[in-house]
Amino acid sequence: QITLKESGPTLVVPTQTLTLTCTFSGFALNTNGLGVGWIRQPPGKALEWLALLYWDDDRRYSPSLKERLTITKDSSKNQVVLTMTNMDPVDTATYFCAHSRRLCNTGCYSFDYWGQGILVTVSS
Amino acid sequence: AIQLTQSPSSLSASVGDRITITCRASQGIRSALAWYQQKPGKPPKLLMYDTSSLVSGVPSRFSGSGSGTEFTLTISSLQPEDFASYHCQQFKEYLLGFGPGTKVEIK
Repeated sequence: QITLKESGPTLVVPTQTLTLTCTFSGFALNTNGLGVGWIRQPPGKALEWLALLYWDDDRRYSPSLKERLTITKDSSKNQVVLTMTNMDPVDTATYFCAHSRRLCNTGCYSFDYWGQGILVTVSS
Repeated sequence: AIQLTQSPSSLSASVGDRITITCRASQGIRSALAWYQQKPGKPPKLLMYDTSSLVSGVPSRFSGSGSGTEFTLTISSLQPEDFASYHCQQFKEYLLGFGPGTKVEIK
């Protein structure tokens, strides 16, 4: 059974760095064709993909946020960590981590298991 | 970066109606498109991947088609539990992105 859970601060002051942790179970991140990603959703708005850590340690980021994001892993704890620098009120959103799997014959990845999300508010 | 648009942004329909949601990509993505359903306060649920492959357990009233830059999600006979938001997601060259979403409401 695959599960994921996000943890971290729910309130961040502008200009601070946000650190979110995704603790997962039920799979090994170094399994061929898997990944763990981060997605956010501002209240009432669209989903936005942020980052994906692939099974082979390849890391990819949203081009529009690349300079602010870092995704890392702690394999001993089954955790994936996302840091986002220079937080702003527009970054207020629910942040989700999700299990990703290579599903297509052409090699594409989608998110098939999701955490419940953590609402992060950026405010002074 | 590839941009996705969805139309309509919202629609009102009745139980039993057939509805179609369109997702367009700014560049060709072959068949690398997925669809998610999301209900208020919940994470998205993967419905379909690779344009038309249904996730196990998803009812057959959901279907997908398209290729390249234009894709559709069709619900053949809308059920009460289908009233939700629907999001498309693309994959190309190990980067991903989501569309703006379509909210399906009860008429």
